[in-house]
Amino acid sequence: AQSVSQHNHHVILSEAASLELGCNYSYGGTVNLFWYVQYPGQHLQLLLKYFSGDPLVKGIKGFEAEFIKSKFSFNLRKPSVQWSDTAEYFCAVNARSGGYNKLIFGAGTRLAVHP
Amino acid sequence: EAGVTQSPTHLIKTRGQQVTLRCSPISGHTSVYWYQQALGLGLQFLLWYDEGEERNRGNFPPRFSGRQFPNYSSELNVNALELEDSALYLCASSRLTGRSGNTIYFGEGSWLTVV
Repeated sequence: AQSVSQHNHHVILSEAASLELGCNYSYGGTVNLFWYVQYPGQHLQLLLKYFSGDPLVKGIKGFEAEFIKSKFSFNLRKPSVQWSDTAEYFCAVNARSGGYNKLIFGAGTRLAVHP
Repeated sequence: EAGVTQSPTHLIKTRGQQVTLRCSPISGHTSVYWYQQALGLGLQFLLWYDEGEERNRGNFPPRFSGRQFPNYSSELNVNALELEDSALYLCASSRLTGRSGNTIYFGEGSWLTVV
């Protein structure tokens, strides 16, 4: 069965620190990969996505993610976090199964950035 | 362009009761997805409807059901409510179906509390 693993459930950083959130998926076929962010009290928003092409994807607010097919990974990075990045981050994989797509989410990583 | 809209935003039900949650997708989107976000459990896939048909179902009991109407709006029904059904129920929609490359967009959710 397809699954998505996010390695860190809680991350605490100081402002200006670098961020890397891990995401691994288990599915051998063609996948589309997403990172969603949920700011406190708000709904899920798309941060970035990978469908094909350049495996290094740039998203909004300075975030980027790299798709490494051999490692089944899609880690999220940001060189310098801000207090406003405090949120929960979800990795998601859209895998084709039986001709249809199914979007599977990881358990999420809660990021707290301290000033 | 209006986003995914859900109603009601908050509701409280008693154990054993039934609840219906409603979702209107983004205009032009034919797929509707339902997710449950319970505290500490991340996002769990519930149901996926496309073109009026149930395409996929998550690992939830049959008392979770739904439907999609000709205008692509959708309802999620939960019968015989249990305390652990208390969660944020998220609806999402996407444009493409059965193909790669679809991005899904989320509504703000319906908070259900079962007492």
